[in-house]
Amino acid sequence: QQQVKQSPQSLIVQKGGISIINCAYENTAFDYFPWYQQFPGKGPALLIAIRPDVSEKKEGRFTISFNKSAKQFSLHIMDSQPGDSATYFCAASGSGNTGKLIFGQGTTLQVKP
Amino acid sequence: GAGVSQTPSNKVTEKGKYVELRCDPISGHTALYWYRQSLGQGPEFLIYFQGTGAADDSGLPNDRFFAVRPEGSVSTLKIQRTERGDSAVYLCASSVMGLAGGGEQFFGPGTRLTVL
Repeated sequence: QQQVKQSPQSLIVQKGGISIINCAYENTAFDYFPWYQQFPGKGPALLIAIRPDVSEKKEGRFTISFNKSAKQFSLHIMDSQPGDSATYFCAASGSGNTGKLIFGQGTTLQVKP
Repeated sequence: GAGVSQTPSNKVTEKGKYVELRCDPISGHTALYWYRQSLGQGPEFLIYFQGTGAADDSGLPNDRFFAVRPEGSVSTLKIQRTERGDSAVYLCASSVMGLAGGGEQFFGPGTRLTVL
């Protein structure tokens, strides 16, 4: 019930293309869903986050789509750039659990020039 | 403003030894989290402090792991009798408040622990 499953494990996209990463969760008590970006040797950095009262949130080239009934959410990176090459983690957190994050397994994105 | 800092950045130790990993959170952040990230995996929660007290230590794998935050700022993660399976990157994060269900967590760069 605490797991967050992420796919794909790795992704290669051409510059200018759309990168899509998917996550699924089981625990219906989760009510905060962030995406983190991590570069080698660095800690994860918050990219964008959503709460289940909305189905979509957009910030620049990054969009989260959220499907509460399916218990799924996804990250879309529009106009992908080589600088977006990194590992992306979805995560979830819920009321009553002190804000601790449950992370997915990660997706390594490579954007080819 | 400084972010979350962690020292050392790398630690190599021998099986059975004791290690301490330090985290300096962002000034004013009352909530502090420790996570462990194994190679190719997402971070796994270890322990959460709200102020000086450990509000949730459910992620600590066993009693060899212990963490303190005596003055509500700097935290130290302590590992006794290290095992090769403890090798991982240990991440620290802080947030303004440990809001249930959210509140941005700012991560440090981590300490890479290698147990030989």
